Amino acid sequence: GQNIDQPTEMTATEGAIVQINCTYQTSGFNGLFWYQQHAGEAPTFLSYNVLDGLEEKGRFSSFLSRSKGYSYLLLKELQMKDSASYLCAVLNDYKLSFGAGTTVTVRA
Amino acid sequence: DSGVTQTPKHLITATGQRVTLRCSPRSGDLSVYWYQQSLDQGLQFLIQYYNGEERAKGNILERFSAQQFPDLHSELNLSSLELGDSALYFCASSVDIRPYEQYFGPGTRLTVT
Repeated sequence: GQNIDQPTEMTATEGAIVQINCTYQTSGFNGLFWYQQHAGEAPTFLSYNVLDGLEEKGRFSSFLSRSKGYSYLLLKELQMKDSASYLCAVLNDYKLSFGAGTTVTVRA
Repeated sequence: DSGVTQTPKHLITATGQRVTLRCSPRSGDLSVYWYQQSLDQGLQFLIQYYNGEERAKGNILERFSAQQFPDLHSELNLSSLELGDSALYFCASSVDIRPYEQYFGPGTRLTVT
C-alpha cells in the first residue's frame, strides 16, 4: 500500500522561508513530485526528484532522501501568490499517489 | 493555460444517472490520465491511457470506465452515480508513457444530487 504524510497547514510571513515535509512508505518508488494547487484550480507541476539530494528551481527547492522515505519542498522569499496547497506525490510504476496536501497561508 | 481542455466545466445530475466527461490532451501528448479529487479522499489516480491503450489503473470503480480515441482525446464515463461521486475530475496529459511533467486540465466539477 501507499502511505504519504504531510502537514495539513502551515502559515508564514511574506518574504520568509517555509519548508514542507513529506514522508512516505510505498511498495515501490520511481520518483517523487511536488505540485502546487490554488483553490479551485488544477495542480501545477513544481519539481521531480528521483535521486537523493537537492534540486533547485528559482525560489523553490526540493530535497529527497530515499533511504529515509523523506522529502521536503522549500519555498524562499515567500510571496502572497504562494498561498496554495502543496501536494507531495510518489510515483510507483506508472501510478502517482498523492498526499493530502499542505495548505500554506502567506501573511503580509 | 496548460493546453489541456476539459468539458463540461460543471455538471449537475441525479443519483443513478450516467455522465460522460471529455478531455483533449496537449498537442503532441500521447498519455492521458484521469484523477478524482474530493474533500475526504484527496487527489486520486483513476486510470491512464497511452496512445489509445489502457496503461495503468488506480482506484477506479467498476461503475466508471474510460477510453482514448484515435485522435487521442479521452472520455471518462461514470454510471449509476452516487452522492459520493461528487468531486472534481481532472484530466492530465504528458508526452511520455510515464507521468513526468504532466499537465492538468481545469477540471470538471460533478455534483450528484
